Amino acid sequence: EAGVAQSPRYKIIEKRQSVAFWCNPISGHATLYWYQQILGQGPKLLIQFQNNGVVDDSQLPKDRFSAERLKGVDSTLKIQPAKLEDSAVYLCASSLESGGATQYFGPGTRLTVL
Amino acid sequence: AQSVTQLGSHVSVSEGALVLLRCNYSSSVPPYLFWYVQYPNQGLQLLLKYTSAATLVKGINGFEAEFKKSETSFHLTKPSAHMSDAAEYFCAVSRGGGADGLTFGKGTHLIIQP
Repeated sequence: EAGVAQSPRYKIIEKRQSVAFWCNPISGHATLYWYQQILGQGPKLLIQFQNNGVVDDSQLPKDRFSAERLKGVDSTLKIQPAKLEDSAVYLCASSLESGGATQYFGPGTRLTVL
Repeated sequence: AQSVTQLGSHVSVSEGALVLLRCNYSSSVPPYLFWYVQYPNQGLQLLLKYTSAATLVKGINGFEAEFKKSETSFHLTKPSAHMSDAAEYFCAVSRGGGADGLTFGKGTHLIIQP
Protein backbone atom coordinates (compact mmCIF):
# COMPACT_ATOMS: atom_id res chain seq x y z
CA GLU A 1 0.00 0.00 0.00
CA ALA A 2 1.44 3.36 -1.01
CA GLY A 3 1.95 5.87 1.78
CA VAL A 4 1.17 9.57 1.96
CA ALA A 5 2.98 11.43 -0.81
CA GLN A 6 4.16 15.02 -0.54
CA SER A 7 5.95 17.37 -2.89
CA PRO A 8 8.25 19.12 -3.11
CA ARG A 9 10.52 17.69 -0.42
CA TYR A 10 12.49 20.92 -0.08
CA LYS A 11 11.74 24.54 -0.95
CA ILE A 12 13.72 27.71 -0.46
CA ILE A 13 12.06 31.09 -1.04
CA GLU A 14 12.53 34.75 -0.19
CA LYS A 15 10.25 36.39 2.35
CA ARG A 16 7.07 37.87 0.85
CA GLN A 17 7.07 35.27 -1.91
CA SER A 18 4.32 32.67 -2.20
CA VAL A 19 4.69 28.89 -2.03
CA ALA A 20 2.44 25.85 -2.37
CA PHE A 21 2.74 22.31 -1.07
CA TRP A 22 0.94 19.27 -2.41
CA CYS A 23 -0.27 16.15 -0.61
CA ASN A 24 -1.72 12.90 -1.92
CA PRO A 25 -3.20 10.82 0.93
CA ILE A 26 -3.45 7.06 1.18
CA SER A 27 -6.14 5.79 -1.15
CA GLY A 28 -9.53 5.67 0.52
CA HIS A 29 -8.60 7.86 3.47
CA ALA A 30 -11.38 10.35 4.12
CA THR A 31 -9.55 12.52 6.64
CA LEU A 32 -6.53 14.67 5.80
CA TYR A 33 -4.44 16.86 8.09
CA TRP A 34 -1.73 19.48 7.62
CA TYR A 35 0.77 20.05 10.44
CA GLN A 36 3.58 22.58 10.84
CA GLN A 37 6.74 21.39 12.61
CA ILE A 38 9.18 24.13 13.58
CA LEU A 39 12.71 22.97 14.35
CA GLY A 40 12.96 21.59 17.88
CA GLN A 41 9.20 21.41 18.43
CA GLY A 42 6.42 18.92 17.99
CA PRO A 43 4.08 19.22 15.02
CA LYS A 44 1.18 21.67 15.32
CA LEU A 45 -2.13 21.07 13.57
CA LEU A 46 -2.97 23.67 10.93
CA ILE A 47 -6.09 22.25 9.32
CA GLN A 48 -8.18 19.06 9.17
CA PHE A 49 -10.38 18.01 6.23
CA GLN A 50 -13.09 15.38 6.23
CA ASN A 51 -13.53 14.51 2.56
CA ASN A 52 -13.48 17.98 0.98
CA GLY A 53 -14.93 19.87 3.95
CA VAL A 54 -12.98 21.69 6.66
CA VAL A 55 -13.42 20.21 10.15
CA ASP A 56 -10.91 22.30 12.09
CA ASP A 57 -8.85 25.30 10.95
CA SER A 58 -8.68 27.10 14.28
CA GLN A 59 -4.87 27.24 14.25
CA LEU A 60 -4.44 28.19 10.60
CA PRO A 61 -3.13 31.77 10.16
CA LYS A 62 -5.80 32.65 7.67
CA ASP A 63 -4.30 36.03 6.72
CA ARG A 64 -1.52 34.22 4.86
CA PHE A 65 -2.24 30.48 4.82
CA SER A 66 -4.90 28.74 2.76
CA ALA A 67 -5.67 25.12 2.02
CA GLU A 68 -8.04 23.20 -0.16
CA ARG A 69 -8.90 19.60 -0.84
CA LEU A 70 -10.50 19.26 -4.21
CA LYS A 71 -12.72 16.22 -4.83
CA GLY A 72 -11.86 14.91 -1.38
CA VAL A 73 -8.51 13.46 -2.44
CA ASP A 74 -5.38 15.59 -3.02
CA SER A 75 -4.77 18.71 -1.01
CA THR A 76 -2.75 21.90 -1.45
CA LEU A 77 -1.45 24.19 1.29
CA LYS A 78 -0.44 27.70 0.25
CA ILE A 79 1.43 30.49 2.01
CA GLN A 80 1.17 34.02 0.61
CA PRO A 81 3.17 36.04 1.50
CA ALA A 82 5.73 34.00 3.40
CA LYS A 83 7.47 35.28 6.52
CA LEU A 84 10.76 34.21 8.06
CA GLU A 85 8.90 32.45 10.90
CA ASP A 86 7.18 30.16 8.39
CA SER A 87 10.42 28.22 8.00
CA ALA A 88 9.42 24.73 9.10
CA VAL A 89 8.60 21.24 7.91
CA TYR A 90 5.03 20.92 6.66
CA LEU A 91 3.64 17.45 7.28
CA CYS A 92 0.58 15.95 5.68
CA ALA A 93 -1.23 13.04 7.33
CA SER A 94 -4.27 10.99 6.47
CA SER A 95 -6.54 8.56 8.28
CA LEU A 96 -9.33 6.23 7.22
CA GLU A 97 -11.80 8.17 9.34
CA SER A 98 -11.83 10.62 12.23
CA GLY A 99 -12.44 9.70 15.86
CA GLY A 100 -9.01 8.56 16.99
CA ALA A 101 -8.05 6.50 13.96
CA THR A 102 -4.34 6.16 13.24
CA GLN A 103 -2.89 9.06 11.29
CA TYR A 104 -0.28 8.15 8.69
CA PHE A 105 2.29 10.83 7.95
CA GLY A 106 4.06 11.75 4.76
CA PRO A 107 7.80 12.62 4.63
CA GLY A 108 7.10 16.35 4.82
CA THR A 109 8.19 19.44 2.90
CA ARG A 110 11.03 21.42 4.43
CA LEU A 111 10.50 25.15 3.78
CA THR A 112 13.26 27.69 4.27
CA VAL A 113 12.30 31.37 4.05
CA LEU A 114 15.25 33.73 3.57
CA ALA B 1 -8.13 22.21 25.69
CA GLN B 2 -5.52 19.51 25.53
CA SER B 3 -1.81 19.54 26.21
CA VAL B 4 1.11 17.15 26.44
CA THR B 5 4.26 17.46 28.50
CA GLN B 6 7.28 15.32 27.74
CA LEU B 7 9.83 15.38 30.53
CA GLY B 8 13.39 15.54 29.26
CA SER B 9 14.24 16.89 25.83
CA HIS B 10 17.16 14.43 25.68
CA VAL B 11 17.43 10.97 27.22
CA SER B 12 20.62 8.92 27.01
CA VAL B 13 20.76 5.19 27.79
CA SER B 14 23.28 2.44 27.21
CA GLU B 15 22.61 -0.25 24.64
CA GLY B 16 20.74 -3.08 26.37
CA ALA B 17 19.43 -0.84 29.15
CA LEU B 18 15.82 0.03 29.93
CA VAL B 19 14.29 2.88 27.95
CA LEU B 20 11.78 5.11 29.76
CA LEU B 21 10.33 8.18 28.05
CA ARG B 22 7.85 10.19 30.09
CA CYS B 23 4.61 11.75 28.92
CA ASN B 24 1.90 13.52 30.90
CA TYR B 25 -1.27 14.80 29.32
CA SER B 26 -4.12 17.13 30.05
CA SER B 27 -7.51 16.59 28.47
CA SER B 28 -11.05 17.65 29.28
CA VAL B 29 -12.46 14.47 27.72
CA PRO B 30 -11.32 10.83 27.75
CA PRO B 31 -8.27 11.00 25.55
CA TYR B 32 -6.79 9.00 22.76
CA LEU B 33 -3.02 8.82 23.29
CA PHE B 34 -0.26 8.10 20.82
CA TRP B 35 3.48 7.65 20.63
CA TYR B 36 5.20 8.43 17.33
CA VAL B 37 8.86 8.05 16.35
CA GLN B 38 10.66 10.28 13.87
CA TYR B 39 13.96 9.36 12.25
CA PRO B 40 16.06 12.13 10.65
CA ASN B 41 14.51 13.59 7.50
CA GLN B 42 11.55 11.24 7.70
CA GLY B 43 7.91 11.56 8.62
CA LEU B 44 6.40 10.27 11.84
CA GLN B 45 5.74 6.58 12.35
CA LEU B 46 3.19 5.30 14.84
CA LEU B 47 4.66 3.19 17.65
CA LEU B 48 1.45 2.55 19.57
CA LYS B 49 -1.85 4.09 20.62
CA TYR B 50 -4.33 3.96 23.48
CA THR B 51 -8.02 4.19 22.63
CA SER B 52 -9.73 3.23 25.92
CA ALA B 53 -9.29 -0.52 25.62
CA ALA B 54 -6.46 -2.21 27.56
CA THR B 55 -4.42 0.20 29.67
CA LEU B 56 -1.15 -1.57 28.77
CA VAL B 57 -0.54 -1.08 25.10
CA LYS B 58 2.05 -2.99 23.11
CA GLY B 59 3.52 -1.46 20.00
CA ILE B 60 6.10 -2.12 17.35
CA ASN B 61 9.83 -2.72 17.88
CA GLY B 62 9.32 -3.98 21.46
CA PHE B 63 7.89 -0.73 22.85
CA GLU B 64 4.95 -0.55 25.21
CA ALA B 65 3.14 2.13 27.21
CA GLU B 66 0.78 2.13 30.16
CA PHE B 67 -2.15 4.50 30.49
CA LYS B 68 -2.55 5.69 34.09
CA LYS B 69 -5.59 7.90 34.46
CA SER B 70 -4.87 8.78 38.10
CA GLU B 71 -1.44 10.10 37.14
CA THR B 72 -2.52 11.44 33.71
CA SER B 73 0.52 9.67 32.30
CA PHE B 74 1.34 7.54 29.28
CA HIS B 75 5.03 6.68 29.64
CA LEU B 76 6.83 4.72 26.91
CA THR B 77 9.15 1.84 27.82
CA LYS B 78 11.35 -0.75 26.17
CA PRO B 79 13.19 -3.39 28.23
CA SER B 80 16.40 -3.38 26.21
CA ALA B 81 17.60 -0.50 24.05
CA HIS B 82 19.07 -1.09 20.61
CA MET B 83 21.25 1.27 18.62
CA SER B 84 18.50 1.51 16.00
CA ASP B 85 16.16 3.05 18.61
CA ALA B 86 18.04 6.35 18.44
CA ALA B 87 15.47 8.86 17.19
CA GLU B 88 13.04 11.59 18.23
CA TYR B 89 9.94 10.39 20.09
CA PHE B 90 6.70 12.32 20.31
CA CYS B 91 3.74 11.79 22.60
CA ALA B 92 0.42 13.09 21.32
CA VAL B 93 -3.17 13.39 22.50
CA SER B 94 -6.44 13.57 20.60
CA ARG B 95 -9.90 14.17 21.90
CA GLY B 96 -11.38 11.82 19.33
CA GLY B 97 -14.70 12.69 17.77
CA GLY B 98 -14.88 14.56 14.50
CA ALA B 99 -12.16 17.13 15.13
CA ASP B 100 -9.37 14.80 16.20
CA GLY B 101 -6.19 16.58 15.18
CA LEU B 102 -3.26 15.59 17.36
CA THR B 103 -1.68 17.83 20.01
CA PHE B 104 1.98 16.88 20.29
CA GLY B 105 4.56 17.26 23.01
CA LYS B 106 7.89 18.90 22.23
CA GLY B 107 9.58 15.55 21.75
CA THR B 108 12.36 13.58 23.43
CA HIS B 109 15.59 12.83 21.63
CA LEU B 110 16.72 9.31 22.56
CA ILE B 111 20.46 8.71 22.47
CA ILE B 112 21.83 5.18 22.68
CA GLN B 113 25.35 4.82 24.04
CA PRO B 114 27.34 1.80 22.80
